[in-house]
Amino acid sequence: SQTIHQWPATLVQPVGSPLSLECTVEGTSNPNLYWYRQAAGRGLQLLFYSVGIGQISSEVPQNLSASRPQDRQFILSSKKLLLSDSGFYLCAWSVPLEAFFGQGTRLTVV
Amino acid sequence: AQTVTQSQPEMSVQEAETVTLSCTYDTSESDYYLFWYKQPPSRQMILVIRQEAYKQQNATENRFSVNFQKAAKSFSLKISDSQLGDAAMYFCAYRSGREYGNKLVFGAGTILRVKS
Repeated sequence: SQTIHQWPATLVQPVGSPLSLECTVEGTSNPNLYWYRQAAGRGLQLLFYSVGIGQISSEVPQNLSASRPQDRQFILSSKKLLLSDSGFYLCAWSVPLEAFFGQGTRLTVV
Repeated sequence: AQTVTQSQPEMSVQEAETVTLSCTYDTSESDYYLFWYKQPPSRQMILVIRQEAYKQQNATENRFSVNFQKAAKSFSLKISDSQLGDAAMYFCAYRSGREYGNKLVFGAGTILRVKS
């Protein structure tokens, strides 16, 4: 069966520090992969999606970037975090009729 | 661009009673999919129910059913016989049937509280 792993679960980082969040999927090949951000009490905003290795589409301009070095690996990065980057980050993969989400990472930038 | 609107930030229901969560969307497409996701306090997103736009029949999954009004672009979720475990944030989501990438567009969510 397919599973999705996302880590770390929580992260506290100082302003200006780098960021790397990792997501891996098991049990499927060539998945569509997504990074969403959920601000406190708000909906999910799509940040990036990828339909294949090295193919990244950005939905909103921001301080973050994404990479897909392997078929089932999706990484969210930043060179210098801002306070506004705080939030809950969710990785997901999808088939046409359903999306599957990781457990999420709560990022607090201090 | 498609948008999804959930006009109820918070709803409450008594255990065993019925509650309806509202969702409207805006699209010019005729081929699309609609979803309701549940996010309990654990923050794990769980698919509750989905509806294909080409299907006229409303989807049903046990105690969960939808009222899909395509012309009105409305997609409400009805929870019958509410249980304490139904307490969560509920998100309505839209996916284009033709747009590249299978991207989901989410509403802002509705917090559902269940009273015992």
